Amino acid sequence: AQSVSQHNHHVILSEAASLELGCNYSYGGTVNLFWYVQYPGQHLQLLLKYFSGDPLVKGIKGFEAEFIKSKFSFNLRKPSVQWSDTAEYFCAGEAAGNKLTFGGGTRVLVKP
Amino acid sequence: NAGVTQTPKFRVLKTGQSMTLLCAQDMNHEYMYWYRQDPGMGLRLIHYSVGEGTTAKGEVPDGYNVSRLKKQNFLLGLESAAPSQTSVYFCASSARDLITYNEQFFGPGTRLTVL
Repeated sequence: AQSVSQHNHHVILSEAASLELGCNYSYGGTVNLFWYVQYPGQHLQLLLKYFSGDPLVKGIKGFEAEFIKSKFSFNLRKPSVQWSDTAEYFCAGEAAGNKLTFGGGTRVLVKP
Repeated sequence: NAGVTQTPKFRVLKTGQSMTLLCAQDMNHEYMYWYRQDPGMGLRLIHYSVGEGTTAKGEVPDGYNVSRLKKQNFLLGLESAAPSQTSVYFCASSARDLITYNEQFFGPGTRLTVL
């Protein structure tokens, strides 16, 4: 069965620090990958997505993610976080034609 | 363009009561989904629909029923609520076209507590 795993459940960092959140998926072949963000009390919003092409994907709010097929990974990065980046981040993926599977989420707390 | 809306936003039920959650989307999307979100478990798919009049089971369908009588609406029903159904419920929709693939758009969620 396809699965998506996020290894960090909680991350605490200070403003201006760099952020990297890990995401691994379990299936081979063609995959579509997403990162969603959920700010406190709000619904999920799309940060970025990868379907094909350039493995380095840039999203909104300065986030980027790199698709590394050999490592089955799609890690999310931001060079310098702000207090407003405090949120829960979800990685999601699907093998072509299948349903979207979400990771367990990573709660990020940015201290001012 | 409201996107995906859900009603109600909050609800408290007693064990054994029934209720229906309503999801509406105005993006003309064919696909609609119901998820539940529990701490540390991400989002788990309850049921989904690939078009008007169709429904299918997801990962955790037990205790829930759904209906998609109109393309824009997707209803989630709990016939006899149990405390294990305390959760935040999210509805989503997607076009699954060649441009957006399965990029899903989410509603604001319904926080349900079953006592």
